[in-house]
Amino acid sequence: NAGVTQTPKFQVLKTGQSMTLQCAQDMNHNSMYWYRQDPGMGLRLIYYSASEGTTDKGEVPNGYNVSRLNKREFSLRLESAAPSQTSVYFCASSEGGEPGNTIYFGEGSWLTVV
Amino acid sequence: GQQVMQIPQYQHVQEGEDFTTYCNSSTTLSNIQWYKQRPGGHPVFLIQLVKSGEVKKQKRLTFQFGEAKKNSSLHITATQTTDVGTYFCAGYSGGGADGLTFGKGTHLIIQP
Repeated sequence: NAGVTQTPKFQVLKTGQSMTLQCAQDMNHNSMYWYRQDPGMGLRLIYYSASEGTTDKGEVPNGYNVSRLNKREFSLRLESAAPSQTSVYFCASSEGGEPGNTIYFGEGSWLTVV
Repeated sequence: GQQVMQIPQYQHVQEGEDFTTYCNSSTTLSNIQWYKQRPGGHPVFLIQLVKSGEVKKQKRLTFQFGEAKKNSSLHITATQTTDVGTYFCAGYSGGGADGLTFGKGTHLIIQP
């Protein structure tokens, strides 16, 4: 049982380049999330999807777009990367239906924008 | 919006000493969860507290939820090197499917 799988694990981008972080979960969860983690800032929610076909902004959505492709997959796209988007990105999922469920995290994607 | 404050940001202890991290919310919480993140790893769920005044134990870890459901604490007795990492509290106050609000975490550093 893989849980939450995200790719790539490491990526270096040049300013202005675009990329997509992929995420898939095999726990049949309804809700999926993208967080970023920066030193001293904890985990901040970028976007979430409460169910297939819906997405909503979190605390720091600017510069990002998301797609809930199906129940399993939730991707995060950076259209024009900026150095301020250098961070560790975590995809996560939860059963949903009732907010505040336990969240299961992927192993993280380390992104550096130069 | 909901804010979850966590202190201290860093805590250095000698192995065998106790450790406590505190979490305070600006709003009443429906529940609070605690997560542990090892260095270089990802956050992993430890426990959830739901009831006012609830106390739960996991071996050397004791978790408390305040009577007003606005604060919580995690206490580790006799720390071991395996306890190293960052401990996050995360609270949910209801009102929308926007997930949990995480505190900034307490980094526990243990000196042998």
